[in-house]
Amino acid sequence: GAGVSQSPSNKVTEKGKDVELRCDPISGHTALYWYRQSLGQGLEFLIYFQGNSAPDKSGLPSDRFSAERTGGSVSTLTIQRTQQEDSAVYLCASSPTAGHTEAFFGQGTRLTVV
Amino acid sequence: GQNIDQPTEMTATEGAIVQINCTYQTSGFNGLFWYQQHAGEAPTFLSYNVLDGLEEKGRFSSFLSRSKGYSYLLLKELQMKDSASYLCAVRDPGNQGGKLIFGQGTELSVKP
Repeated sequence: GAGVSQSPSNKVTEKGKDVELRCDPISGHTALYWYRQSLGQGLEFLIYFQGNSAPDKSGLPSDRFSAERTGGSVSTLTIQRTQQEDSAVYLCASSPTAGHTEAFFGQGTRLTVV
Repeated sequence: GQNIDQPTEMTATEGAIVQINCTYQTSGFNGLFWYQQHAGEAPTFLSYNVLDGLEEKGRFSSFLSRSKGYSYLLLKELQMKDSASYLCAVRDPGNQGGKLIFGQGTELSVKP
C-alpha cells in the first residue's frame, strides 16, 4: 500500500478482554514503531523493531502488553486483560532504515475499554 | 533518563511569526525531529536537525544547539491551517539506532 495501514480504526472492548491491533508498514521499511497517545497528550513510546534484531521493548507499560513482527513486515500489538487506563489511540510508524530521517505514521487505532 | 520539554499551549495571530521551543535531556542523541499533528490525524514530518544550526524549509525553520540541548521551530506568515499540535522528538541511538522519544506537544492556536 501507499502508506502505513492500521486495523481496526476503532475498537471498543470490555474490561478484562484481550485485543489485537494490527500494523502493515510501508513495503520495504525495516524499522517499525508503536506509540500510545492518550487524549491531549504526546506520544508515549511502546516498542521498536529494527530488521531482524531483538526489539526494544523498554516502553511497554506492563507484561499485559506484547508485540511481534512476523517476517519483518506486519506487526501485531496485543493487550491482555484490558483495563480502562489502556484506552488511547495506538499509533504505528515505519521508516526505511533505523537511521532514516523520517518516520511515517498510520492513522492509528482508537481503543476504548468499557 | 529521557526528558523532553515543550510549552503546552501557544496562541498567535494569522500572518505573524511564532517560535516553539523544545529542550531535551536524553541519554543519547542522534537527531531531533519536529512533527505536526492536526486533531484526530496522524503526525506528519516537518523537519530534522542533527548538526547545530538552522534548517529552513519554506515557511518553517528549525534550529538546534546540541551543547544547550535546545531546539526551536519557527513558523512564519502564519495561516489558520497551521493550528495544530507540534511535537518535538529526539532519536535515542540506544542499541537499535532509531528509537524516537516524543515530548508532550505544543498546541498552537492561530487567531484571525
